[in-house]
Amino acid sequence: DTAVSQTPKYLVTQMGNDKSIKCEQNLGHDTMYWYKQDSKKFLKIMFSYNNKELIINETVPNRFSPKSPDKAHLNLHINSLELGDSAVYFCASSQGDFYVNEQFFGPGTRLTVL
Amino acid sequence: AQKVTQAQTEISVVEKEDVTLDCVYETRDTTYYLFWYKQPPSGELVFLIRRNSFDEQNEISGRYSWNFQKSTSSFNFTITASQVVDSAVYFCGLHSGGYQKVTFGTGTKLQVIP
Repeated sequence: DTAVSQTPKYLVTQMGNDKSIKCEQNLGHDTMYWYKQDSKKFLKIMFSYNNKELIINETVPNRFSPKSPDKAHLNLHINSLELGDSAVYFCASSQGDFYVNEQFFGPGTRLTVL
Repeated sequence: AQKVTQAQTEISVVEKEDVTLDCVYETRDTTYYLFWYKQPPSGELVFLIRRNSFDEQNEISGRYSWNFQKSTSSFNFTITASQVVDSAVYFCGLHSGGYQKVTFGTGTKLQVIP
């Protein structure tokens, strides 16, 4: 009965490749997010989707693109991977207007770019 | 702009000691939410508390307590009688409805020594 799940848990790839990370939530939430946590543990929000509409788009490279086939899924696609993309990526979800409800986080995906 | 400062990078305490983690925030919004998350060594992010800007009452949950003071823009977190299982990185965060985005502090790594 996992609330927010991500696959894969670990992803090792070569520079220049394209990869995707999948996220699914079974909480019935209508908003989902992607965060990046760098090697210094700094957490930064990248995107959020509410009812399939992008409502936040932080200043991340356009090589990163969120894709939401339905409100239970928010996948993260990354083109032309770079060394600096190595990080842990967290998916999260919440219900309703963001500032009134807590976010539930997935277990994270550790991406290593060689 | 929003900002969250967790000045304590790392704290070490001996088991059963009390410890306070500091969090200072900046925002121009009058409506905002503050929260704390715990990230144990296993890596997941665990929600601890959210407090809105209109509620300055202190909160206690077991060994955890939070002190919110708008006058000093602080939302400090105290663990009483610390235990080894409290060892983790603790993140303080801020989000406001006007921006619909969240800003995390850089985290405080707490090590509880048996």
